[in-house]
Amino acid sequence: KQEVTQIPAALSVPEGENLVLNCSFTDSAIYNLQWFRQDPGKGLTSLLLIQSSQREQTSGRLNASLDKSSGRSTLYIAASQPGDSATYLCAVRVGSGTYKYIFGTGTRLKVLA
Amino acid sequence: DAGVIQSPRHEVTEMGQEVTLRCKPISGHDYLFWYRQTMMRGLELLIYFNNNVPIDDSGMPEDRFSAKMPNASFSTLKIQPSEPRDSAVYFCASSFRDETDTQYFGPGTRLTVL
Repeated sequence: KQEVTQIPAALSVPEGENLVLNCSFTDSAIYNLQWFRQDPGKGLTSLLLIQSSQREQTSGRLNASLDKSSGRSTLYIAASQPGDSATYLCAVRVGSGTYKYIFGTGTRLKVLA
Repeated sequence: DAGVIQSPRHEVTEMGQEVTLRCKPISGHDYLFWYRQTMMRGLELLIYFNNNVPIDDSGMPEDRFSAKMPNASFSTLKIQPSEPRDSAVYFCASSFRDETDTQYFGPGTRLTVL
């Protein structure tokens, strides 16, 4: 059974700092991995998607990497800003024949001005 | 487009009552997902539809939960009878089948069962 874990559960950093969020999954047979952002009281917004054949994806100040063999993904945020404060969730799609995603419990990030 | 629309945004009900949550997906999207989010269990997929047909309902917790999609622009999630442990935020999401796999989430319905 696929399990997705995110550490740390919460993180507080000063503005401008570069930071890394971690995601680990138990079954390396994934189709893709996606990182989401959730603001308080709102739904999720997709940030980056990495296909199982890819090693990384970049969007602006965000860079996500994937190491399937070790069951790990990281989300790197460069030059963090207070507007980056949110909960970040990773999710793995468990196969090509299904659209079922297994979500991690998230990392709650606070960037201090 | 207005995005995924969910109603109501908040629902407070008493144990044993029937609860119906509603979702309008983004026009043109052929996948619709129902999720439940709690502090203890995080975000869980309950069921998803493709072209109005339920594809995977393995996440539906028990027979008290049912979901329907009578047409491409409307879906319901019903809980009957409701129990306090059903208290959670329920999200609906929709997507179009392309290489981006992007799911667009609604704002959620916060359900409290007393």
